[in-house]
Amino acid sequence: KQEVTQIPAALSVPEGENLVLNCSFTDSAIYNLQWFRQDPGKGLTSLLLIQSSQREQTSGRLNASLDKSSGRSTLYIAASQPGDSATYLCAVKDSGYALNFGKGTSLLVTP
Amino acid sequence: EAGVAQSPRYKIIEKRQSVAFWCNPISGHATLYWYQQILGQGPKLLIQFQNNGVVDDSQLPKDRFSAERLKGVDSTLKIQPAKLEDSAVYLCASSLNSGGATDTQYFGPGTRLTVL
Repeated sequence: KQEVTQIPAALSVPEGENLVLNCSFTDSAIYNLQWFRQDPGKGLTSLLLIQSSQREQTSGRLNASLDKSSGRSTLYIAASQPGDSATYLCAVKDSGYALNFGKGTSLLVTP
Repeated sequence: EAGVAQSPRYKIIEKRQSVAFWCNPISGHATLYWYQQILGQGPKLLIQFQNNGVVDDSQLPKDRFSAERLKGVDSTLKIQPAKLEDSAVYLCASSLNSGGATDTQYFGPGTRLTVL
C-alpha cells in the first residue's frame, strides 16, 4: 500500500525567503505526482503535475522535482509572499489510479 | 468554465441521523471522485466513478455509506446512520478520464460535516 509522507508538518517563514517542502512515497511504481494547494474552507487547487518520466515541472515561482527511484519529491517556492500561506499537499497516482495524499505542510508566510 | 459544484457547504447532524451530499462535476468529465478529509489528514478516496460505473469503492464503508452517479453526470453521497467519526470534509473531484498520466483532478469546495 502506497504511503506518502510530508515534511515538515508546519513551516513559518518571513516574506521573501525561498523555501522547500518535502514529500516521500514508498512505492516507486507511480503514474504521476501532483502538488496541490488548499486554502481554509476551500477545495484543492492543482499546482504542478509531474509525470513519472519527468524530473521536474515549473510554474512561475514554483518548481517541483521528482526522483522516482528514491521515492522523493520537493516543491521549491521562490521569494515567498503572504499570499502563499496555505496547506500544500503532495499526492501520488499509482497503479490503482487513485490519488494517495500526504497529510500536508501548513505554510505561513509573515509580512 | 464552471468548476465542480457541491452542496451543501456545511451540515450539522446528530449521530444516527442520515445525510446526503450532492456534486455536479465539470461538464464533459467522465470520472468523478468522492474523498473524505478528516481534520489534519490528507484526503482519502471513498469511491471513483467512470461515467455511470464504479471503478473503485474499496475504502467506502458500505454498511453506512452509499453513492450513485445517475446518467453519468451528478452524484450523491449518502451516510446512514452517521457516526461521530464521520465528521470530516467531503470533497468531490472530477477529471476527463482516470487512466492518463496527465489526467488532472479538479476539486470542489467540499462539504463540512459535523456529527454531534
